[in-house]
Amino acid sequence: EIVLTQSPGTLSLSPGDGATLSCRASQSVSSSALAWYQQKPGQAPRLLVYGASRRATGIPDRFSGSGSGTDFTLTISRLEPEDFAVYYCQQFGGSPPFSFGPGTKVDIK
Amino acid sequence: QVQLQESGPGLVKPSETLSLTCTISRGAITTYYWTWIRQPPGKGLEWIGYIYYSGNTDYNPSLKSRVTMSVDTSKNQFSLKLTSVTAADTAMYYCARGTKGYDNGWYWYFDLWGRGALVTVSS
Repeated sequence: EIVLTQSPGTLSLSPGDGATLSCRASQSVSSSALAWYQQKPGQAPRLLVYGASRRATGIPDRFSGSGSGTDFTLTISRLEPEDFAVYYCQQFGGSPPFSFGPGTKVDIK
Repeated sequence: QVQLQESGPGLVKPSETLSLTCTISRGAITTYYWTWIRQPPGKGLEWIGYIYYSGNTDYNPSLKSRVTMSVDTSKNQFSLKLTSVTAADTAMYYCARGTKGYDNGWYWYFDLWGRGALVTVSS
């Protein structure tokens, strides 16, 4: 089973700050198999990035993904008020075929 | 614009069967992997399984013995049944569209989600 760990658990930042979110896998994951989602309170998750670095349709370019192997990163270059949310990474290919990390909450400082 | 909508009872008694349906609006049921994902209150996301429009399925091994998914292409709907529920099955249940493709490696993501259906297991 591939276990995803996200850090930090909570990130307290101000609008305009940059944010760096980490996702670490317990074993190597294909870069193409790593995705990131954003979830706001009371809403379903929204796809941000897939294939580790490809932005989904309609996602602003302040969101970028990178990484390979066991270490992946989601970077938000300048936080907008609507970016304060919980972010999940997700992998494909292990057992179970899909798993999610526990999430990183980005809240307002 | 394609939309997904979950429907079903919001309260299920312990040991009974949870049944949910997802209706796909303004979109075709073909090509994609129709997926169920759940989220217990205040917790993270758990993949339950998917069904392809042809009827092929894959389930989370941790739930496989209790899960059945089905698809009705004539109604543009797919469904989830989870048997022998306990309080641990209390969660928001989301249906989602899974997209699979290949570009220097296989990728798979969930790019369209329903709003979710809260199911509480309680007597």
